Amino acid sequence: DGGITQSPKYLFRKEGQNVTLSCEQNLNHDAMYWYRQDPGQGLRLIYYSQIVNDFQKGDIAEGYSVSREKKESFPLTVTSAQKNPTAFYLCASSTRLAGGYEQYFGPGTRLTVT
Amino acid sequence: DAKTTQPNSMESNEEEPVHLPCNHSTISGTDYIHWYRQLPSQGPEYVIHGLTSNVNNRMASLAIAEDRKSSTLILHRATLRDAAVYYCILRPLSIQGAQKLVFGQGTRLTINP
Repeated sequence: DGGITQSPKYLFRKEGQNVTLSCEQNLNHDAMYWYRQDPGQGLRLIYYSQIVNDFQKGDIAEGYSVSREKKESFPLTVTSAQKNPTAFYLCASSTRLAGGYEQYFGPGTRLTVT
Repeated sequence: DAKTTQPNSMESNEEEPVHLPCNHSTISGTDYIHWYRQLPSQGPEYVIHGLTSNVNNRMASLAIAEDRKSSTLILHRATLRDAAVYYCILRPLSIQGAQKLVFGQGTRLTINP
């Protein structure tokens, strides 16, 4: 089945540690995205990538880093510089072709930092 | 980015139609109207989108006002599985490239059995 995989579903870390969230897709999509969601709020864009080896900051990129070495993978690192890292993190992908209209989302990773 | 306004919450009964409104008075001529929904503890899923004409698919219908300043997502016969947060989003037309979606707080839909 085609789709987006995020692992793990739940992640716990101590304050001051960097943590990397995994996102893999087998939809052959060029574009990939990372969003953050806080309780009762909508999603906010952290980073996005249109093609391999290219990515741009979204609205809340501070304290996060990404890489896009393979088309299928777009890992997100939450660094110790992120002041409030506890949140629900969602990865998505989409085609870059004209007329592409849908973003496909993964199941999310719930990160808790104490 | 053009913004959308939705009620924070709505409630309906199972097997009845549901009309979810969205106001987007600053919409530009090339903005698509998209709807996504998010079930509890899951990622959002695409529901429907449109530009000017009303649209139907297996999940829902989208009614777009003639001036495009508002739209309504219609669930024809709600089930308990339709309980979710529904997001109305404007997506600028792009010839090619990534879609930067801006999610508001959405409408939390509760379905009563």
